Amino acid sequence: QSALTQPPSASGSPGQSVAISCTGTSSDVGGYNYVSWYQHHPGKAPKLMIYEVSKRPSGVPDRFSGSKSGNTASLTVSGLQAEDEADYYCSSYAGSNTYVFGTGTKVTVL
Amino acid sequence: QVQLQQWGTGLLNPSETLSLTCAVYGGSFSPYYWFWIRQPPGKGLEWIGEIHHSGSTSYNSSLKSRVTMSLDTSKNHFSLRLTSVTAADTALYYCARGGLPGGFDYWGQGTLVTVSS
Repeated sequence: QSALTQPPSASGSPGQSVAISCTGTSSDVGGYNYVSWYQHHPGKAPKLMIYEVSKRPSGVPDRFSGSKSGNTASLTVSGLQAEDEADYYCSSYAGSNTYVFGTGTKVTVL
Repeated sequence: QVQLQQWGTGLLNPSETLSLTCAVYGGSFSPYYWFWIRQPPGKGLEWIGEIHHSGSTSYNSSLKSRVTMSLDTSKNHFSLRLTSVTAADTALYYCARGGLPGGFDYWGQGTLVTVSS
């Protein structure tokens, strides 16, 4: 179970959009529509932002959106706000009741 | 409102056994999967394993020989045991609920476990 690949960092100015990629294989991201995304502020528990590739849990702003193409999933944060500055992790079901996380991306709001 | 509250030993010597428990408040054990996830200092999240409300388990292959998860439905608790710990097991450990398809929707507050002699 190798970690999914994410860019180490991404940034944008307030109001702009930032997109984060999450690249796996046909055994995880490409094989199942069970990709989720988490926002993690240091010292707090991670928060689920997207599940099943593109669905938002109740209470998550529609500024957060997810998509997938082949073995790569993406999270887009539109209309960046200061509170969006955090680490973001993707996760994917990897078959046989196992999961794998991404390497994490630090999003900076300039 | 579902809340997960976790506790356990925070400082271990190498070769000892890590033991953590997560209590579920405000919700039922059934029909969910329950998870343990960890984050070593300065690193990313790592999936440790899952336990279904029926008691069936699945573990990360890299930890499988040392991990045991169990649950006590009468107390709404589930637990993690990790044997023969080393410094590489030093991490912030989280419990979580799999309440949405493929998504961990509720998380515990995290427990820092340090392995050091």
